[in-house]
Amino acid sequence: EAGVAQSPRYKIIEKRQSVAFWCNPISGHATLYWYQQILGQGPKLLIQFQNNGVVDDSQLPKDRFSAERLKGVDSTLKIQPAKLEDSAVYLCASSSIQGSGQPQHFGDGTRLSIL
Amino acid sequence: ELKVEQNPLFLSMQEGKNYTIYCNYSTTSDRLYWYRQDPGKSLESLFVLLSNGAVKQEGRLMASLDTKARLSTLHITAAVHDLSATYFCAVDNQLAGTSYGKLTFGQGTILTVHP
Repeated sequence: EAGVAQSPRYKIIEKRQSVAFWCNPISGHATLYWYQQILGQGPKLLIQFQNNGVVDDSQLPKDRFSAERLKGVDSTLKIQPAKLEDSAVYLCASSSIQGSGQPQHFGDGTRLSIL
Repeated sequence: ELKVEQNPLFLSMQEGKNYTIYCNYSTTSDRLYWYRQDPGKSLESLFVLLSNGAVKQEGRLMASLDTKARLSTLHITAAVHDLSATYFCAVDNQLAGTSYGKLTFGQGTILTVHP
């Protein structure tokens, strides 16, 4: 079974530029999550999708971050404009059924550095 | 707001010794997950604990959940170098007994096992 795919693996941009990350979840997984992991901390949930609908985006800084999952499969997360504090690893995860108790499966992440 | 605290945050162990990592959380939940993260890698699911009194074991690791005390433990038996990693607990935010799959992670425990 193929895992969660993310790209790019690394991205370096200057502050105030924009950036986008892509995620393809495990086939058949209806629930998709984006997390931000700052160095030395645990992942923090940014947004949760169930199919193509948003379940929770309460921790997403909506003035600069946006995410979509138009066809209920792959997803993109965008930052515009980027700030220095956005330097982090952005992890995508998926699970089969929301709230089922199945663990979330994580991709390798995109490491974002803001200069 | 759900808070999840792990201790210790740093753990240096000798091979062959035993130790326990603690995960405390602030609001009612009966779903807790343990993950392992190697440097520069993504998170790997270790255990899923879905009820009070749940105990899971895999190799030298054993996890348990006490929902009344809002406490989970990860016990390491006869540590070996390969267990060196960062360990995270994550608690499912539940509302009125319904799980939404929204995880709050602890800060992580950095475990180093040395000869």
